[in-house]
Amino acid sequence: EVQLLESGGGLVQPGGSLRLSCAASGFTFSTYAMSWVRQAPGKGLEWVSTISTSGGGTYYADSVRGRFTVSRDNSKNTLYLQMNSLRAEDTAVYYCAKLISSACQYWGQGTLVTVSS
Amino acid sequence: QPVLTQSSSASASLGSSVKLTCTLSSGHSSYIIAWHQQQPGKAPRFLMKFEDSGSYNKGSGVSDRFSGSSSGADRYLTISNLQSEDEADYYCETWDSSTRVFGGGTKLTVL
Repeated sequence: EVQLLESGGGLVQPGGSLRLSCAASGFTFSTYAMSWVRQAPGKGLEWVSTISTSGGGTYYADSVRGRFTVSRDNSKNTLYLQMNSLRAEDTAVYYCAKLISSACQYWGQGTLVTVSS
Repeated sequence: QPVLTQSSSASASLGSSVKLTCTLSSGHSSYIIAWHQQQPGKAPRFLMKFEDSGSYNKGSGVSDRFSGSSSGADRYLTISNLQSEDEADYYCETWDSSTRVFGGGTKLTVL
């Protein structure tokens, strides 16, 4: 059974940093691209970033490019999102998703990031 | 990059059918999309992905009451025999080589 378990969320001050993790199990992690998608309170889904199987290809939404870095450790079956220079508008639930044939076909339960002073 | 347009809300009666629409922006009418369901307080759940042929593949365990179709730039999600648990937000998703886009979502109310 595919499982994606996000962690690392919490309360952080504006300008601060946070690193999210997504522990994957139930599938061969190294053979699937992965994405981060966020959802601000009461809002819709917003794509954040995608990483290729090897980690050699990384892609970002304009809203986070230059501040967020996606990475993965295939030996640990774990996806990461390093978030720097956080802003109030980054407040959201962050989901990791497994891509199959390019679509987000499995989702984690999400982790809440709150940026506030 | 493509833009996906969805109606903000829809409603239908218990036991009836409803057809939700996701419209691709001009110049992107051939893009493949996926549909997701998000029940209140829960994570999104993949429902189906359209293929180049116009057919679609559903996720594991997705009810036969959910089906898809398309016409031009429009992609449809039809839910038949509506149940109370179908009350949820529905999002469409598309992508290209370097970006991914979600529609604004349709909030479905089951009356």
